[in-house]
Amino acid sequence: DIQMTQSPSSLSASVGDRVTITCRASQSISSYLNWYQQKPGKAPKLLIYAASSLQSGVPSRFSGSGSGTDFTLTISSLQPEDFATYYCQQSYNTLDLTFGGGTQVEIK
Amino acid sequence: QVQLVESGGGVVQPGRSLRLSCAASGFTFSSYGMHWVRQAPGKGLEWVAIIWYDGSNKYYADSVKGRFSISRDNSKNMLYLQMNSLRDEDTGVYYCARDVGSSSSSWYDPWGQGTLVTVSS
Repeated sequence: DIQMTQSPSSLSASVGDRVTITCRASQSISSYLNWYQQKPGKAPKLLIYAASSLQSGVPSRFSGSGSGTDFTLTISSLQPEDFATYYCQQSYNTLDLTFGGGTQVEIK
Repeated sequence: QVQLVESGGGVVQPGRSLRLSCAASGFTFSSYGMHWVRQAPGKGLEWVAIIWYDGSNKYYADSVKGRFSISRDNSKNMLYLQMNSLRDEDTGVYYCARDVGSSSSSWYDPWGQGTLVTVSS
């Protein structure tokens, strides 16, 4: 199994802050890394696929980077609607897809 | 619009069975692979199963292998998850999701709203 480790598990930030979330894979996964946003009581929503491609309709303040084992999701200027939990997912092994443990972004 | 709607969740005793359904609309269902993903209460996301666009291949997480079965009916735009020998640890919200990835990768869009399965005596 490919293990995905996110850090931090939670963070507090203010509106307008730049926020960075990290995801590390237990082995190289090239650029096969996706990011999802989940709000309480709602289904996850795709933000970024293939490490750095922005899903259609997702605001440009979201960006993704990285390859190999280390990846980053950045929110350039945090907005009120961005307070949520964020998950990374590796899709290198498409027959055993795994998610990170999640990062909860809270209001400071 | 593209939509996935799950149903079939509920309270079930350990060892019993349950079948979840996912109704797809707004896209050519038979062209896409489909997944089930679950989320235990207060926990993260766990991939459960995948089925190829034509139903020719199916794969499962080790935690459900031999107990769960994924299937689809492309004539009805329906996805299913048959869950047998249910355990307490199968409790959670079950989501169906469309695979819109490439030939060598997967990513999900959209997800259904989820259906809650509670395994309890």
